[in-house]
Amino acid sequence: QVQLVESGGGVVQPGRSLRLSCAASGFIFRTYAMHWVRQAPGKGLEWVAVISYDGSNKYYADSVKGRFTVSRDNSENTMNLQMNSLRAEDTAVYYCARSRGGNYFDSFAIWGQGTMVTVSS
Amino acid sequence: DIQMTQSPSTLAASVGDRVTITCRASQSISTWLAWYQQKPGKAPKLLIYKASSLESGVPSRFSGSGSGTEFTLTISSLQPDDFATYYCQHYNSWTFGQGTKVEIK
Repeated sequence: QVQLVESGGGVVQPGRSLRLSCAASGFIFRTYAMHWVRQAPGKGLEWVAVISYDGSNKYYADSVKGRFTVSRDNSENTMNLQMNSLRAEDTAVYYCARSRGGNYFDSFAIWGQGTMVTVSS
Repeated sequence: DIQMTQSPSTLAASVGDRVTITCRASQSISTWLAWYQQKPGKAPKLLIYKASSLESGVPSRFSGSGSGTEFTLTISSLQPDDFATYYCQHYNSWTFGQGTKVEIK
């Protein structure tokens, strides 16, 4: 079945780095744009980053621009989020999500279960 | 930047009630709007896309309407499984509203 599984979350000190992964299965990964969305404890949803189906276009929320980098490996059906210079305000559950169609200007039809990132000393 | 504002923030209702949630955009977004349902500890679920199109598998008691700057999500007869938080999203900017929590009255 169509599935997204995130991994890589954990507890990290401020200023350090962490790399999240999203493994996709059950659909033709290379034909879909993919997103990262986060949710701080008790808060709403915040879009973080998007990568086009072929990896040629990437966009970021202002809150993470210059610190986070999204990438994908279509041969491995995986997407990654490299998070550098982490701050306490980056503490959240991080979800990967698939666009409904191939375009990155589309709703998010498939979501992973999320992985928790806690930034704390 | 486009801002998405939902109202109310919290809504108390009973099973069987007709429930309406409003989402307003700070500028016209045509019909590039989606609605999601999220239950505690779970990932969001897509309900409606393109303002009024029902995602496959979503019960027909959910409906969406609107265009431009004002949109609504309606649940025609609230069911026990519908108590959750609902988010609108302008998916051309990927901006979410702040959410509306539907609670049991």
